[in-house]
Amino acid sequence: KQEVTQIPAALSVPEGENLVLNCSFTDSAIYNLQWFRQDPGKGLTSLLLIQSSQREQTSGRLNASLDKSSGRSTLYIAASQPGDSATYLCAVRPEETSGSRLTFGEGTQLTVNP
Amino acid sequence: NAGVTQTPKFQVLKTGQSMTLQCAQDMNHEYMSWYRQDPGMGLRLIHYSVGAGITDQGEVPNGYNVSRSTTEDFPLRLLSAAPSQTSVYFCASSAWLYSPLHFGNGTRLTVT
Repeated sequence: KQEVTQIPAALSVPEGENLVLNCSFTDSAIYNLQWFRQDPGKGLTSLLLIQSSQREQTSGRLNASLDKSSGRSTLYIAASQPGDSATYLCAVRPEETSGSRLTFGEGTQLTVNP
Repeated sequence: NAGVTQTPKFQVLKTGQSMTLQCAQDMNHEYMSWYRQDPGMGLRLIHYSVGAGITDQGEVPNGYNVSRSTTEDFPLRLLSAAPSQTSVYFCASSAWLYSPLHFGNGTRLTVT
């Protein structure tokens, strides 16, 4: 059974700092990995999706990398801002098509202090 | 763009009552799904659909029914509410099975 772990559970940084969020998964037979952010009381917003054949994806100040063989992904946030404060979740989709359920980590709660 | 719309936002039920959580998307997405989010458990898949007329069970389907009569709508029915179904429910859709998921803002359900 796939397990997804995100460490740390919470992170507090000063504004302007570059930071890295970690996601690890136990089964490397994944089709893709997706990073989301969740604001309090809201749904999840998709940030980046990395296919298993890709090494990284970039969107603005965000860069996500994937090392499938070692079961790890990182989300790099450059020049953090208070508006980046949210919970960040990663989710992996398996290669097998039956069910095709995403397995989510429990997230890292990020606070960026002005 | 409305995206994925869920109603209601909040609901309180008594044990044994039934209700339907509504989900509608206006992006012509084929794939729709329902998740529940619980502290310490993360998000878990309840049911999903890969197109109109096709539904299947996810990880935690017991106590819930779904149907998909149109591409746009994917309601989730609680047959006889139990306190264990107290949770935040999210509907999500994507263009096809492997594309990025778009989530609604959730329904917070309390069963007393």
